[in-house]
Amino acid sequence: DGGITQSPKYLFRKEGQNVTLSCEQNLNHDAMYWYRQDPGQGLRLIYYSQIVNDFQKGDIAEGYSVSREKKESFPLTVTSAQKNPTAFYLCASSADGSAQRGYGYTFGSGTRLTVV
Amino acid sequence: AQSVTQLDSQVPVFEEAPVELRCNYSSSVSVYLFWYVQYPNQGLQLLLKYLSGSTLVKGINGFEAEFNKSQTSFHLRKPSVHISDTAEYFCAVKGYSTLTFGKGTMLLVSP
Repeated sequence: DGGITQSPKYLFRKEGQNVTLSCEQNLNHDAMYWYRQDPGQGLRLIYYSQIVNDFQKGDIAEGYSVSREKKESFPLTVTSAQKNPTAFYLCASSADGSAQRGYGYTFGSGTRLTVV
Repeated sequence: AQSVTQLDSQVPVFEEAPVELRCNYSSSVSVYLFWYVQYPNQGLQLLLKYLSGSTLVKGINGFEAEFNKSQTSFHLRKPSVHISDTAEYFCAVKGYSTLTFGKGTMLLVSP
């Protein structure tokens, strides 16, 4: 079945370490997204990519980096510059991210990152 | 710019009672609206969406929503809730390239 796989489901890291969250989709979707979720704050956009080898910053990109070398993959690195990295991270994809199209998102099951 | 306001952070309700979760939006592009549901420690699942046409949209699990352009609202309703409907619900509006989400409404269904 087609879908989005995020791994790992739980991740623990020491403060000051970089960590990479994996996101893979087999839906043949062009666009992919990373959101951060904190209690009571909804979903906040970190980065998104409309096409391979291109990506844009979202509302809270500081302290994060991404790459989009393959259509299926959009890994997120949480760097030591991110001041408060403990959160639930959600990856999503869409067949077409443009405003003219009404495609919604398909979400992965999330990665819960805890930094100690 | 796009924004979504979900007016209630929590809605407690008894099983088999009706429920309405409120959502107001603003958008400077075409209005495409979505409702998603999130169960604990999971990703979001699409409940329903409004793209055009009939203002009453039916979704999965017996949910429906009504698009009201003059009120800029897209409220979610269910005539009779189950315990299993306990979850967080997110309203979203499509912008130039991304979805903008509200802060969510926690629906708490008790027996």
